Amino acid sequence: GAVVSQHPSRVICKSGTSVKIECRSLDFQATTMFWYRQFPKQSLMLMATSNEGSKATYEQGVEKDKFLINHASLTLSTLTVTSAHPEDSSFYICSAVPTMNTEAFFGQGTRLTVV
Amino acid sequence: QKEVEQNSGPLSVPEGAIASLNCTYSDRGSQSFFWYRQYSGKSPELIMFIYSNGDKEDGRFTAQLNKASQYVSLLIRDSQPSDSATYLCAADKLIFGTGTRLQVFP
Repeated sequence: GAVVSQHPSRVICKSGTSVKIECRSLDFQATTMFWYRQFPKQSLMLMATSNEGSKATYEQGVEKDKFLINHASLTLSTLTVTSAHPEDSSFYICSAVPTMNTEAFFGQGTRLTVV
Repeated sequence: QKEVEQNSGPLSVPEGAIASLNCTYSDRGSQSFFWYRQYSGKSPELIMFIYSNGDKEDGRFTAQLNKASQYVSLLIRDSQPSDSATYLCAADKLIFGTGTRLQVFP
């Protein structure tokens, strides 16, 4: 199956700093990528839909100025958590869809801990 | 608001038994449905997807879709301890259920 690489897998940062997470589709082009957040023992919550070359679409309740998404190419989307706080600590996962009506392929996830 | 609902479990079954996981969805317009398996601390991995009413079989897994009743299920035959994980149902790739935790005991 298609491969989506997410980096870093784990990051610990100080409160108030920013963290960038990368999501790359390695063997296919993805016009659309999705970013999710998952708190312990909870399901995946869609944060935003990232479209190559255009602004991301954020879900209700997700602050677009805090979670900056850039989808500059067909194989790369980045999520930057700005001015991180301990409550932002979570498991962040990206997914990419090669074409319409196919399954989404997930990255490995990034465990963010803000101290 | 579009929703996908699952029983959180845990669902405990003995090794070799059939595990039955169920999911209902609220948006009658949903077209595609996916079952993912997620081990603790890992990303979800796709098990099966189904678009049409009826059953779809792949090895030990069978997905069932009933659009009239708006439910989709996953059957796991000959359950193995390695099947113990959280199973997520998703509609149209975006809307995930809360997941059902499956425990297969020897």
